[in-house]
Amino acid sequence: ELKVEQNPLFLSMQEGKNYTIYCNYSTTSDRLYWYRQDPGKSLESLFVLLSNGAVKQEGRLMASLDTKARLSTLHITAAVHDLSATYFCAVELNSGYALNFGKGTSLLVTP
Amino acid sequence: EADIYQTPRYLVIGTGKKITLECSQTMGHDKMYWYQQDPGMELHLIHYSYGVNSTEKGDLSSESTVSRIRTEHFPLTLESARPSHTSQYLCASSDQVLTEAFFGQGTRLTVV
Repeated sequence: ELKVEQNPLFLSMQEGKNYTIYCNYSTTSDRLYWYRQDPGKSLESLFVLLSNGAVKQEGRLMASLDTKARLSTLHITAAVHDLSATYFCAVELNSGYALNFGKGTSLLVTP
Repeated sequence: EADIYQTPRYLVIGTGKKITLECSQTMGHDKMYWYQQDPGMELHLIHYSYGVNSTEKGDLSSESTVSRIRTEHFPLTLESARPSHTSQYLCASSDQVLTEAFFGQGTRLTVV
C-alpha cells in the first residue's frame, strides 16, 4: 500500500520568510504532483515531477523530487499572503493507477 | 485550462434519496476519478475508471456506484443518501501517459 505523508500539516509564516514543505512516500515511484487548493475550491495543478532530480519553479514556489529518498519538497521563497492555501502532494504508484494524495499542508501567510 | 465539469455545484437532499452527481470532460481523457473530501481534509479515492466499461473501487467505501458508458462522462450515484455522505465530491480526469489529474469544481453535498 502506498502511503504519502506531508509535513507540516499546518504552517503559519510571516510574509517575506522562506519555508519548505516535505512530502515522503513509501513505495518506489517516479511521478509526483503538487496541487494547490483554496478554501471551498477545487484543486489546481502546480507542478508535475516525472524523474529523479526534477526541479520545477513557478514564481515563489519551487518543487523538487528525489526518487531514491522517496522525497519531494515544495520550497516557498519570500512568502506573500496570496500563497495562503492548502498544498497537496500526490504520488502515482504505477502507470495506470489513481493518484494517492497526502493529507495536505494548510499554509497561512501573515503580515 | 482544464475542461472538466461537475453538476450540480451544491445539493441539499433528504436521507434515503437516490442522487446522481454528474461529471463530464472534453479533453478525451481515458482515466477518470471520483474523490471525496471533507472540508480542509485529505482526499479519499472512491472510484476510478481506465476507460469505457472499466470501473474500479477506491479505498473508501461510500455505498456508491459509477458507470463509464462514454469516454467523456463518469456519473456517481448514491442509491440511498445518508447524513454521513455529507461532503465535497471531486471529479478528475487524466490521460494515459502523463497522469496529471485535472479536477472539476466539485459538488458540495448535504444530506439532511
